[in-house]
Amino acid sequence: DVKVTQSSRYLVKRTGEKVFLECVQDMDHENMFWYRQDPGLGLRLIYFSYDVKMKEKGDIPEGYSVSREKKERFSLILESASTNQTSMYLCASSFRRANTEAFFGQGTRLTVV
Amino acid sequence: TQLLEQSPQFLSIQEGENLTVYCNSSSVFSSLQWYRQEPGEGPVLLVTVVTGGEVKKLKRLTFQFGDARKDSSLHITAAQPGDTGLYLCAGFLSGGSNYKLTFGKGTLLTVNP
Repeated sequence: DVKVTQSSRYLVKRTGEKVFLECVQDMDHENMFWYRQDPGLGLRLIYFSYDVKMKEKGDIPEGYSVSREKKERFSLILESASTNQTSMYLCASSFRRANTEAFFGQGTRLTVV
Repeated sequence: TQLLEQSPQFLSIQEGENLTVYCNSSSVFSSLQWYRQEPGEGPVLLVTVVTGGEVKKLKRLTFQFGDARKDSSLHITAAQPGDTGLYLCAGFLSGGSNYKLTFGKGTLLTVNP
């Protein structure tokens, strides 16, 4: 079974803190993604990576950065957390081919206070 | 601008009823996918449709891809409480990258016993 594992289910951080969200996949997928999910807004792509050390901005990259030093691991970094970054964060991975399935982690519910 | 419009946004029905969820766009997609997300979990793929006019069945679920590849529908026959969840359509834009999935906002289905 494909597994995408996110390091935390729930996280509470203070405004201004640097926050790291970690994601690991075990299927040797080339692509990895970070989305955030908010009520009424759906899933929005923050960043994605198609290879080690490669990254591209998604639709809402402001306030976030990412790191992919190893193929199986993709980290999302909130440089200085703000309350408007309170959200559900979902990591996903997929093979680099057309029409491929995305496999999602269980999500991290981040609250910034 | 939302590329994929889902309707209805919310649906609450009784066990045994039939329902249809719609996913519409003015853009052409090379493929469309349907995911289901249960509370506290990440989305899980139900089906991928690739060919215009394609119909796929998954037990009591029937998926259709429009002839022009701009829309899709999900029909559930004799809904069960276990069908409760958030149904998301997602697609790869025709002529776009084969990594970027565009998501609709979802339809939250509640099936009451």
